[in-house]
Amino acid sequence: GQQLNQSPQSMFIQEGEDVSMNCTSSSIFNTWLWYKQDPGEGPVLLIALYKAGELTSNGRLTAQFGITRKDSFLNISASIPSDVGIYFCAGPLTGTASKLTFGTGTRLQVTL
Amino acid sequence: GAGVSQSPRYKVAKRGQDVALRCDPISGHVSLFWYQQALGQGPEFLTYFQNEAQLDKSGLPSDRFFAERPEGSVSTLKIQRTQQEDSAVYLCASSSRLAGVNIQYFGAGTRLSVL
Repeated sequence: GQQLNQSPQSMFIQEGEDVSMNCTSSSIFNTWLWYKQDPGEGPVLLIALYKAGELTSNGRLTAQFGITRKDSFLNISASIPSDVGIYFCAGPLTGTASKLTFGTGTRLQVTL
Repeated sequence: GAGVSQSPRYKVAKRGQDVALRCDPISGHVSLFWYQQALGQGPEFLTYFQNEAQLDKSGLPSDRFFAERPEGSVSTLKIQRTQQEDSAVYLCASSSRLAGVNIQYFGAGTRLSVL
């Protein structure tokens, strides 16, 4: 079963608002990945984080690798309608090399 | 092609039928992964290939599930005697090594419905 918990589970926001979501684990991760999935599509990589404490931006998206290596945060600034979708955190568990464990997802809906 | 391609996009099977799902990875990608995504859940790992070698099949839920990649490129996931609980989206991903870390790129998936 999945070992990454995401919150909130879902959120409704207005266009232009900032969004914050997080991902926590009982296990240590050495890499954190944030993916976005649109309906009927596969997940698309948004941001990759490789070091504890790292803060990385990709346009309006900013993500941080928690210092304990057991959590990560994703922020979206000035949301727009195309930000709608499901956001997943993911990472390879220590010792598993390549296979990814995914979080439970945060569903984002943006109203005009 | 430029991305990971999966076919068919949709498959409806009667319980007990065998199905085969195809994945064309990004050209040159050595690693290939299969994931199963149930409705409302995140993807869950099924199996992993490096070239033609299946290095990890720990996520396959039963011996009815079988995957192959005979020439180290295209892969097929086969499910025998399908059951209703097999209904899910099956995602394929391929990866290249970037900055020492494998980044996985996903296809659009095959949605399997077992009636």
